[in-house]
Amino acid sequence: EVQLVESGGGLVKPGESLRLSCAASGFTFSNAWMSWVRQAPGKGLEWVGRIKSKTDGGTTDYAAPVKGRFIISRDDSKNTLYLQINSLKTEDTAVYYCTTFSSGWYWGQGTLVTVSS
Amino acid sequence: EIVLTQSPGTLSLSPGERATLSCRASQSVSSSKLAWYQQTPGQAPRLLMYGASSRATGIPDRFSGSGSGTDFTLTISRLEPEDFAMYYCQQYGSSPYTFGQGTKLEIK
Repeated sequence: EVQLVESGGGLVKPGESLRLSCAASGFTFSNAWMSWVRQAPGKGLEWVGRIKSKTDGGTTDYAAPVKGRFIISRDDSKNTLYLQINSLKTEDTAVYYCTTFSSGWYWGQGTLVTVSS
Repeated sequence: EIVLTQSPGTLSLSPGERATLSCRASQSVSSSKLAWYQQTPGQAPRLLMYGASSRATGIPDRFSGSGSGTDFTLTISRLEPEDFAMYYCQQYGSSPYTFGQGTKLEIK
């Protein structure tokens, strides 16, 4: 069974950095393309970015609003996906989900990031 | 970037009625790589359909998806009380993967 478990969220101040993690199990993580999606309170879903598998180049793509501040990486030895968020802004306040496609999309339960002074 | 526009924004129906939700793309969605999700407050999105018309595991057959190119539809044949929720479409045919703004299905 595919399982994705996010962690690392919390309350942070504007300008600070944060690294979110997503522990994956139940599938061959090293072969998977992984994505992050976020949802601000009371708002819709927003795709953040993705990372391809290393065999497919391991490259990353980002949504325009986060490009340059967000960095997605992966550690295939730990079956873990990461999202580094730098220079946090209040508008980054959201639940962050990791997702992957394996005959359908799988999502974690999300981790809440709150950016406030 | 492919922009997805969902309509209507809010759909008011009664249990037992048929619901038709639309998702229109600004350009053709590659290989009909379109998904539909249901979301209730405080919960992660639940996958309903992928590949435009493939039902996800455990999804009742009252849910169906159709369409190709730029026009896609999610149909709920007979609404159950638990179906009243928020619905989103997502295209994953080209990066950036994008979501529609959502349709709220509410009880009339």
